[in-house]
Amino acid sequence: GAVVSQHPSWVICKSGTSVKIECRSLDFQATTMFWYRQFPKQSLMLMATSNEGSKATYEQGVEKDKFLINHASLTLSTLTVTSAHPEDSSFYICSARDDSRHGKQYFGPGTRLTVT
Amino acid sequence: AQKITQTQPGMFVQEKEAVTLDCTYDTSDPSYGLFWYKQPSSGEMIFLIYQGSYDQQNATEGRYSLNFQKARKSANLVISASQLGDSAMYFCAMRRTGTASKLTFGTGTRLQVTL
Repeated sequence: GAVVSQHPSWVICKSGTSVKIECRSLDFQATTMFWYRQFPKQSLMLMATSNEGSKATYEQGVEKDKFLINHASLTLSTLTVTSAHPEDSSFYICSARDDSRHGKQYFGPGTRLTVT
Repeated sequence: AQKITQTQPGMFVQEKEAVTLDCTYDTSDPSYGLFWYKQPSSGEMIFLIYQGSYDQQNATEGRYSLNFQKARKSANLVISASQLGDSAMYFCAMRRTGTASKLTFGTGTRLQVTL
C-alpha cells in the first residue's frame, strides 16, 4: 500500500521555541495533504488542508499564524508549531491523498509533541 | 454537513471469532466514500477498507469486509477470524466525492481480542 512518512516521530521542546514536522508521501504524488491533531482517547481533529503550491486552508478555531503549513512539493508538506506552549502538546498526524487511487487517504505514523 | 456515529466505545471478541463494528452516517451528498482505519497503540492510522456510495458490491479486503446498507446509512466493518493483533482503535470515516472534500471521522471503537 501507499506509504506516508512523518518526521520526527516524537519531539520534546521548551516553551517558546518552534518545532517543524515533515510529512512525505513516499511512493505517490499528493496535491493534497492534511494535518490532524489527536488528544488522548479522542478522534482525529482536522487542523488544516495543505495544497501544493497554494496556501493552506485552516479549520475554524485553528490559528494559522501559530501552525504554519507549507506544501512546497508534491511529496512534502511541513507543519511548524511556532512559539510552542504546553497546551500544544499533542499527537500530530499528517495524511496524504492519492488521487490515482480513488482519492484514498493514507496516514503518516504521527508525531508526538511534548512542550515543557 | 456530514456526521459519522460509532455507538460502541469498546468491544471484546474472542480470538478466531468474527466481530462487527458499527458505523452509521448522515449526509445529503449523493456521492461519497466510506473508510475504515485501524489505529494500534503506536498511533499510526492504517487504512483497512473503502466503499464507494455507488459500488454495487460490498467491499472486502482479506479478513475485513464492509457491510454497506445504503438505505439504512450504515457501513459496518466485519472482521473475521479475529487475531490478537487486531486489538486497536477502529475509526469509521466518510468523505463526499470531490477533490476538495475532507474526511469526517467517528469517535472510534476500541476492540480488544481475548484468548
